[in-house]
Amino acid sequence: GQNIDQPTEMTATEGAIVQINCTYQTSGFNGLFWYQQHAGEAPTFLSYNVLDGLEEKGRFSSFLSRSKGYSYLLLKELQMKDSASYLCAALDSNYQLIWGAGTKLIIKP
Amino acid sequence: IAGITQAPTSQILAAGRRMTLRCTQDMRHNAMYWYRQDLGLGLRLIHYSNTAGTTGKGEVPDGYSVSRANTDDFPLTLASAVPSQTSVYFCASAETSGRTDTQYFGPGTRLTVL
Repeated sequence: GQNIDQPTEMTATEGAIVQINCTYQTSGFNGLFWYQQHAGEAPTFLSYNVLDGLEEKGRFSSFLSRSKGYSYLLLKELQMKDSASYLCAALDSNYQLIWGAGTKLIIKP
Repeated sequence: IAGITQAPTSQILAAGRRMTLRCTQDMRHNAMYWYRQDLGLGLRLIHYSNTAGTTGKGEVPDGYSVSRANTDDFPLTLASAVPSQTSVYFCASAETSGRTDTQYFGPGTRLTVL
């Protein structure tokens, strides 16, 4: 079966760094997405990785290891507005997105 | 309009009633999707359409139907609503020709079936 695993909840301190991990098992693989979702709002696109390595975009970076079926989202210089759920999703061989349940990130002052 | 719009924003519906959730995009994306999101679960795909005139079933299609008469609109119909269809419904669209398939989401419809 196809599966995405990510922690249910994480807590971090304002100004710090946090890493949200995601492991995936899919039938075929065409890329890994990260989305941010604030409470009561729609998911918004953060990043897409299809090749191994680190992609940096401002305070956010996303890493992919295809051989390990593993990705992480790294958030630096955390701000209160980063409190949200972070959704990991893998694109399978049929180009359908398989979604994780999301990681709720709580930022404390 | 810019992006994807959904209507209504929220709705309370009696069980057994028919309901259509509307979704319109102005980005000329070829693909559109309907998801439901329930607490503690990931987004679950209900139906999708890769191009106007075609539709396909997702992970949880039972009790729902869709149509794609044109590029912009992708309505979702609940023929006879049941309480288990209480959820937040998101419509999304993507341009899949470039094969990055990034999906962009509408603001969602919060549906309560009593």
